[in-house]
Amino acid sequence: QQPVQSPQAVILREGEDAVINCSSSKALYSVHWYRQKHGEAPVFLMILLKGGEQKGHEKISASFNEKKQQSSLYLTASQLSYSGTYFCGVQGGTSYGKLTFGQGTILTVHP
Amino acid sequence: DSGVTQTPKHLITATGQRVTLRCSPRSGDLSVYWYQQSLDQGLQFLIQYYNGEERAKGNILERFSAQQFPDLHSELNLSSLELGDSALYFCASSVRIDSYEQYFGPGTRLTVT
Repeated sequence: QQPVQSPQAVILREGEDAVINCSSSKALYSVHWYRQKHGEAPVFLMILLKGGEQKGHEKISASFNEKKQQSSLYLTASQLSYSGTYFCGVQGGTSYGKLTFGQGTILTVHP
Repeated sequence: DSGVTQTPKHLITATGQRVTLRCSPRSGDLSVYWYQQSLDQGLQFLIQYYNGEERAKGNILERFSAQQFPDLHSELNLSSLELGDSALYFCASSVRIDSYEQYFGPGTRLTVT
């Protein structure tokens, strides 16, 4: 089942902060975050694994609440380059490479 | 540039036809993933291969098939094409088997007329 992302869209001015949430109804092994700019391929931002391991972008942070099956992506001091659609992808425990992506959150940063 | 290459970039074909999409992973990556992205369905996982073997399957139609060759490049075959198959098809690759840090290619845009 597809994870649910919120909000669907957010508009910011440069320097403002944003939080994007991802919620799943199933137990998760890992949560992955990607950003996709219009007409381009998704780009890896961050992965959070059950047990606390993380790897990702130095200017973007995220959290993973294993018990609630939720993850949040924190974008602080936003830049124009942050604009794009953010997808969370979730992986269950036995599905190896299968990532199920949310519907996406469109982030627009204005000068 | 992610290091993943996909060909062709665009493909326009008629209903009922068959097409092959090609993907070359980043050097050293053993896993290849195929995704379909359409406006109404979002980014949908189709299938994963790891070192030549199928490892995970999503909601891939029976009309679609894929394989990964000994040189690790992969092909996605779509047959009996329907209008609804029009979409952007992405290939991604990663070092590990468990979808850790995937690198996406530029995609192939398929238009079925």
